[in-house]
Amino acid sequence: DAGVTQSPTHLIKTRGQQVTLRCSPISGHKSVSWYQQVLGQGPQFIFQYYEKEERGRGNFPDRFSARQFPNYSSELNVNALLLGDSALYLCASSLGQGVTQYFGPGTRLLVL
Amino acid sequence: GENVEQHPSTLSVQEGDSAVIKCTYSDSASNYFPWYKQELGKGPQLIIDIRSNVGEKKDQRIAVTLNKTAKHFSLHITETQPEDSAVYFCAAHYPNFGNEKLTFGTGTRLTIIP
Repeated sequence: DAGVTQSPTHLIKTRGQQVTLRCSPISGHKSVSWYQQVLGQGPQFIFQYYEKEERGRGNFPDRFSARQFPNYSSELNVNALLLGDSALYLCASSLGQGVTQYFGPGTRLLVL
Repeated sequence: GENVEQHPSTLSVQEGDSAVIKCTYSDSASNYFPWYKQELGKGPQLIIDIRSNVGEKKDQRIAVTLNKTAKHFSLHITETQPEDSAVYFCAAHYPNFGNEKLTFGTGTRLTIIP
């Protein structure tokens, strides 16, 4: 069975640009969460979406936004990129009723 | 909010020996505690989890114990093998926000010495 998939795998942007990251959950999973993982640290919660509605938002600025589509895939958008946004962005999916989350391979974003 | 502390940050173990990683959490209402293994260049892989109504759970060479009174939980890996080398993260879920947010520890880099 296919796990969580994310695209692209790597991305290089310059300061001030905008980026869109994509995630497809495990088949049958209705919840998608986004996490940011800075090198050497644990993942930090950004958003959770369940049935296309935002269920939670972490301590991130409004430059970060996300949405979930009818097929439960999701996009994370980051505007006005800063050097500090360089990180591994992880998507995790779950059934939405039990918390158990499975992570994708991540998108590594480098902001120059 | 929830805070999770993880120790040690690095751990080297001789192949075949056991490894133990410990985490403490701050909010007594936390009810779910997963452990993830992350290999270089990959996303975190769920290896075992435990809920607050259970004190111990085992899956082959991996076990997790939970002490709710002391608010700490531990990962035990027995008969370690070279492929166990990775970074391990503990996490906790605090249910009162109505979402699935996991709060992670800072990770333990485990190295198995052949």
